[in-house]
Amino acid sequence: SQQGEEDPQALSIQEGENATMNCSYKTSINNLQWYRQNSGRGLVHLILIRSNEREKHSGRLRVTLDTSKKSSSLLITASRAADTASYFCATAASGTYKYIFGTGTRLKVLA
Amino acid sequence: GAVVSQHPSWVICKSGTSVKIECRSLDFQATTMFWYRQFPKQSLMLMATSNEGSKATYEQGVEKDKFLINHASLTLSTLTVTSAHPEDSSFYICSASSAGFYEQYFGPGTRLTVT
Repeated sequence: SQQGEEDPQALSIQEGENATMNCSYKTSINNLQWYRQNSGRGLVHLILIRSNEREKHSGRLRVTLDTSKKSSSLLITASRAADTASYFCATAASGTYKYIFGTGTRLKVLA
Repeated sequence: GAVVSQHPSWVICKSGTSVKIECRSLDFQATTMFWYRQFPKQSLMLMATSNEGSKATYEQGVEKDKFLINHASLTLSTLTVTSAHPEDSSFYICSASSAGFYEQYFGPGTRLTVT
């Protein structure tokens, strides 16, 4: 399977703490995207990082990309209860627009 | 931002019947649309990629005669689940992108329950 893997599979933290999720993938990529999905809902695009970028920020989100290790991390700082959701990374192999999703991390932020 | 809609948002059908799900890009031209399936507490699995005006490309293990995809215009793609069975019950999500852009815009999903 070409599916990427994420760890941890599940993460439970207290409000105000930081949450870090990791994504590993298998092929050379054009870019990597992170998405959030609330239970039973559609996906919300969080951030896109291109293969020539190493770090990107958006509000409380920080994404890093290490193409030599084929891995990425998503850091959510000062987490809130509303951040409770599943988070997925998705990668498009070089030369394609087809995205493959990782296995996801279920984040629970306790108030 | 770009908006993608899906209709219906949920559907219940009897085993053996067919169900059509629509995916529309509301404010941009979607040259490529993707269909995904998601089982409970699992990730999204790509089913097929469709380019406007041409036949869809199906992922390995996806039956093209069972999941009919039509992408007849730059704003509409449809997925028809033919002769649905309970194991087809799932959350179906479409996404759309424009030529030359890597960003995909996702629809809100359609929950299919086959009884």
